[in-house]
Amino acid sequence: KQEVTQIPAALSVPEGENLVLNCSFTDSAIYNLQWFRQDPGKGLTSLLLIQSSQREQTSGRLNASLDKSSGRSTLYIAASQPGDSATYLCAVRGYSGAGSYQLTFGKGTKLSVIP
Amino acid sequence: EAQVTQNPRYLITVTGKKLTVTCSQNMNHEYMSWYRQDPGLGLRQIYYSMNVEVTDKGDVPEGYKVSRKEKRNFPLILESPSPNQTSLYFCASSPSAGEDTQYFGPGTRLTVL
Repeated sequence: KQEVTQIPAALSVPEGENLVLNCSFTDSAIYNLQWFRQDPGKGLTSLLLIQSSQREQTSGRLNASLDKSSGRSTLYIAASQPGDSATYLCAVRGYSGAGSYQLTFGKGTKLSVIP
Repeated sequence: EAQVTQNPRYLITVTGKKLTVTCSQNMNHEYMSWYRQDPGLGLRQIYYSMNVEVTDKGDVPEGYKVSRKEKRNFPLILESPSPNQTSLYFCASSPSAGEDTQYFGPGTRLTVL
């Protein structure tokens, strides 16, 4: 069964710093990996989706990489801002049999960017 | 606007009183699913549907039912809610079951007393 781990569970950085969030997964047979952002009491907003054949995706100040063979992904946030404060979730989509696909989530990294 | 909507957003109920949380998407997506989010446990899939009239269990289906009679709607039914079903529930959809981005609804916070 797929397991997704995110380290660290919480991170506090001063504004302007670059930072890296880590995600690891146990089963490398994935279709894609997705990074989400969740604000307190709110839904999930998709940030980046990396297909299994890709190595990285970029959107603005965000860059996500994927090393499928080693079961790792990183989310790099450049020049962090207080508005980046949120919980970041990593999710992998894998085949769960009978033509279906399942999304397995990590428990998230809670990021606080201090002004 | 393309979106996934859920209703109600907040619900307090009592043990055993049947309830339904509705989910609707306007993007003509085939794949829809329900998750619950609990502190320390993260997001776990309850049920999913790959298309109309096709549903299957996720990781934590006990105590829940779903139906998919129309492509846009995927209601979550709790026939006899219990306190351990107190949680934050999310509905999600994607164009297909495979390689697409999942879009999430705003969440329904359910409290069962």
